[in-house]
Amino acid sequence: GAGVSQSPRYKVAKRGQDVALRCDPISGHVSLFWYQQALGQGPEFLTYFQNEAQLDKSGLPSDRFFAERPEGSVSTLKIQRTQQEDSAVYLCASSITSGRETQYFGPGTRLLVL
Amino acid sequence: AQTVTQSQPEMSVQEAETVTLSCTYDTSESDYYLFWYKQPPSRQMILVIRQEAYKQQNATENRFSVNFQKAAKSFSLKISDSQLGDAAMYFCAYRSAWSGGSNYKLTFGKGTLLTVNP
Repeated sequence: GAGVSQSPRYKVAKRGQDVALRCDPISGHVSLFWYQQALGQGPEFLTYFQNEAQLDKSGLPSDRFFAERPEGSVSTLKIQRTQQEDSAVYLCASSITSGRETQYFGPGTRLLVL
Repeated sequence: AQTVTQSQPEMSVQEAETVTLSCTYDTSESDYYLFWYKQPPSRQMILVIRQEAYKQQNATENRFSVNFQKAAKSFSLKISDSQLGDAAMYFCAYRSAWSGGSNYKLTFGKGTLLTVNP
């Protein structure tokens, strides 16, 4: 079946612009995660959803970052007033039931803020 | 908080040879999971192997095996009979198994870039 998909794959934004990154998890997967991967680093946890409920948003770096999953499937990560330090690859992952199951990752969205 | 350290930023291996990637971690928990993920240039992170801390036996998946030393908090990945397709960034990751905590959150190391020479 289809894996986790993300769009766009690449995004260039001018500093101060708002951006929206989309994640389509594997069909039927209950749990969804967002990670941020800076250049040369490992991914870092941003937020976790179980169905439409955002159970953990402790990793979001600032209140400019907002994530939603209104119908319990597709998720959007929104970054307002982007800054250069937001440049990174944003990875989405999903797991079939609880977050304790294997997480399957998407290809990521590479965001470059100029 | 848990930390994961990969001390080898880059490694190289000849095709058909064996290579070992190192990982150490720090935790005060007794029950947890450890993972090795592979990230090829296409960026799709793929699970290579998983180890449960309460299991004494080292996990094995075909050409991939781990050496899990719980007391030393060490979790190395051995790749046997290396193939060109093994070239990628490899990440070690930790996840708590404690039901009262963030047992869904993966904590990653910085990665080791593996090059396979023909």
